[in-house]
Amino acid sequence: LAKTTQPISMDSYEGQEVNITCSHNNIATNDYITWYQQFPSQGPRFIIQGYKTKVTNEVASLFIPADRKSSTLSLPRVSLSDTAVYYCLVGGSSGYSTLTFGKGTMLLVSP
Amino acid sequence: DVKVTQSSRYLVKRTGEKVFLECVQDMDHENMFWYRQDPGLGLRLIYFSYDVKMKEKGDIPEGYSVSREKKERFSLILESASTNQTSMYLCATGETAYNEQFFGPGTRLTVL
Repeated sequence: LAKTTQPISMDSYEGQEVNITCSHNNIATNDYITWYQQFPSQGPRFIIQGYKTKVTNEVASLFIPADRKSSTLSLPRVSLSDTAVYYCLVGGSSGYSTLTFGKGTMLLVSP
Repeated sequence: DVKVTQSSRYLVKRTGEKVFLECVQDMDHENMFWYRQDPGLGLRLIYFSYDVKMKEKGDIPEGYSVSREKKERFSLILESASTNQTSMYLCATGETAYNEQFFGPGTRLTVL
């Protein structure tokens, strides 16, 4: 299984760009990398998914280097409402049994 | 809009009781999952189901069983609840192993 490692917490201020990195040294060739956001008392919500290089959508970018042993979620100009826990999920190449969530990064955005 | 609902938001049970947690989805997804979430441990997969009556163990299946009699419904069963099963339980659905998962709001279970 592709074990994932993320920072436990990060602090930022409104308007700054935030980069959260996830390490996944044992990622399999066909595994995907997915990031989720979770607010208190809610289930996680999908943010972005990628396989290699860079993916961008309306809320975030995902950078994946060529060796795919890590990935970085980039949140441009965060606001207070981006305060949440962010999870990295790796796997899927051999079905759901290979999916591994990270332990999550608590992002605190201050005024 | 995908809807994943869980039978209870909060549940309090006593040690030794049989506990049923139910999850219902309206997206016609083949795959459904049960996770538990604990502080410092993140989300851990208990069981998943890829079709009606089909199930597979996740990372921490001990002490749990599941039932999927209908496509839209996936139940998690604690045969004899114990205090170490006090946790937040999250249900999710998805189309394939590669697609995003849609999560329910969670059930916070306390076993006394």
